[in-house]
Amino acid sequence: NAGVTQTPKFQVLKTGQSMTLQCAQDMNHEYMSWYRQDPGMGLRLIHYSVGAGITDQGEVPNGYNVSRSTTEDFPLRLLSAAPSQTSVYFCASSRTGTLSTDTQYFGPGTRLTVL
Amino acid sequence: TQLLEQSPQFLSIQEGENLTVYCNSSSVFSSLQWYRQEPGEGPVLLVTVVTGGEVKKLKRLTFQFGDARKDSSLHITAAQPGDTGLYLCAGAQGGSEKLVFGKGMKLTVNP
Repeated sequence: NAGVTQTPKFQVLKTGQSMTLQCAQDMNHEYMSWYRQDPGMGLRLIHYSVGAGITDQGEVPNGYNVSRSTTEDFPLRLLSAAPSQTSVYFCASSRTGTLSTDTQYFGPGTRLTVL
Repeated sequence: TQLLEQSPQFLSIQEGENLTVYCNSSSVFSSLQWYRQEPGEGPVLLVTVVTGGEVKKLKRLTFQFGDARKDSSLHITAAQPGDTGLYLCAGAQGGSEKLVFGKGMKLTVNP
């Protein structure tokens, strides 16, 4: 199993550009999520999904869109990038959304810089 | 509002020393998790504590969940350079599908 994979690893955008961060898992996990990690801020939840066709907002959803058309993939879209979205983005998955008992597996991250 | 406060935020110690990291909140959590993150990688789950007062040991690491399920601690005995990293606590409330993370404690263990 490859686990959770993310592409690209690094990306530089100009303000106003759009892009999609890719996330895939091969563990047949129902639950997937996106976090951003900023210096001194820990991880903050952007969006999450408890299964194909179902998505919901996390703590910091503004400026980001997601969709979950398959169990394996959970892309994160930035429609119009802003410097405030400069961050490291992590995708994670777990067997179910019962995070008090299920292990969440994180991808290696995408480091995004918006100029 | 940061629901989970971690302290200290930074710690630099010598190999062989002991240390304790705290994760505190005014909120009750159904479980608390501890993660370790190395530079350039995603967090990796170390342990989940569920029951108030629970103590779990993982080799030289001891984790405790407070009786009221509002706080947790991580104690490392005889720290080694391989323990260097960012330690994050995260809490889940009720049957929540969301985790709340603390800001993390950056540990450096010098040989």
